[in-house]
Amino acid sequence: NAGVTQTPKFRVLKTGQSMTLLCAQDMNHEYMYWYRQDPGMGLRLIHYSVGEGTTAKGEVPDGYNVSRLKKQNFLLGLESAAPSQTSVYFCATKGTGMNTEAFFGQGTRLTVV
Amino acid sequence: TQLLEQSPQFLSIQEGENLTVYCNSSSVFSSLQWYRQEPGEGPVLLVTVVTGGEVKKLKRLTFQFGDARKDSSLHITAAQPGDTGLYLCAGDRTNAGKSTFGDGTTLTVKP
Repeated sequence: NAGVTQTPKFRVLKTGQSMTLLCAQDMNHEYMYWYRQDPGMGLRLIHYSVGEGTTAKGEVPDGYNVSRLKKQNFLLGLESAAPSQTSVYFCATKGTGMNTEAFFGQGTRLTVV
Repeated sequence: TQLLEQSPQFLSIQEGENLTVYCNSSSVFSSLQWYRQEPGEGPVLLVTVVTGGEVKKLKRLTFQFGDARKDSSLHITAAQPGDTGLYLCAGDRTNAGKSTFGDGTTLTVKP
């Protein structure tokens, strides 16, 4: 079992370029999340999904789009990257039971120059 | 608005010392989780507390959930360099579908 896999692990973008981050899970979890983590700011929720075909905005959704066409995949898109989007991005999944644990990927370090 | 406040933000201590990290909120949570994150890795769950007043122990780590389920603490006894990392608390509300994370406490334990 791979658990939660993020692709790519590192990326450098120029301002205005677009890219898609992929999160894949083999845990059959309904809930999936995209967070960004900046120094001293903890984890901030960008978008999340409570099931295939559904998405919702988190705390900091501007500049990002997501899609959950298949249960096991959650894609995060940046249409026109900005330096403010330089961050480490984490994907996480959770089951639907009460008080369940979140499982995180290893992160994607994105630099926008 | 930060719903979960963690303190202190940074903590640097010598091996063998004790420490307590706090996670406070004005909101009630159905459960609260503590995670530990090492550099270059994603957070990993340490414990989940569910009942007000609950105390859980994990070797040298003691976790407590406040009676009103609004706050929690993590106490480490005789800290070791291997305890170094970022400690995050996260609160869940019933049917919310998402957790709220604190900003974390960065702990450094010097040998």
